[in-house]
Amino acid sequence: LAKTTQPISMDSYEGQEVNITCSHNNIATNDYITWYQQFPSQGPRFIIQGYKTKVTNEVASLFIPADRKSSTLSLPRVSLSDTAVYYCLPSENTGKLIFGQGTTLQVKP
Amino acid sequence: GAVVSQHPSWVICKSGTSVKIECRSLDFQATTMFWYRQFPKQSLMLMATSNEGSKATYEQGVEKDKFLINHASLTLSTLTVTSAHPEDSSFYICSTTGSSNQPQHFGDGTRLSIL
Repeated sequence: LAKTTQPISMDSYEGQEVNITCSHNNIATNDYITWYQQFPSQGPRFIIQGYKTKVTNEVASLFIPADRKSSTLSLPRVSLSDTAVYYCLPSENTGKLIFGQGTTLQVKP
Repeated sequence: GAVVSQHPSWVICKSGTSVKIECRSLDFQATTMFWYRQFPKQSLMLMATSNEGSKATYEQGVEKDKFLINHASLTLSTLTVTSAHPEDSSFYICSTTGSSNQPQHFGDGTRLSIL
């Protein structure tokens, strides 16, 4: 399974756009890239998934360059409720996920 | 609504007690479920892969006799922490997915506290 590297923590202010980049240099050809959000004492929650280029949904955008060795989660206009830990994970066909340390995002008023 | 239901959400019990945690897939049949453990301020650690109708596959360092997994139906997997001790106190989370490369759905976790 591809190992991921993310910043341990990030700070932002309400209304700003936040971009979290994840490196996954050894991603396999068949792997998708999925981002999850976790609040304290809750299970992770799916945010967005992509294979390449750009994916956008109602809460976030995901940018994946052609070499797929990294991906960037973009959260537009964050609010205090977006304070959470964000994990990027390549997912293999077995569904097995190996979580890295994640990025703790702190949104300040 | 919730796709995966986990029960109980929290449990406190005495050392030496065995504790069973249930994970139910509500919207689809899950041939595979996953069990994770998370200590405070740490990431999720995969414990085992639960396979319907067959033995679970445990990750290195996870004692299969300590953490018993049963996946007797396509909608239910159970994790039993046998003879629990204070060091087993943790946040246990299950997940499943409808098919490969589809996002996983996680339960809300079970907070286990062993006194």
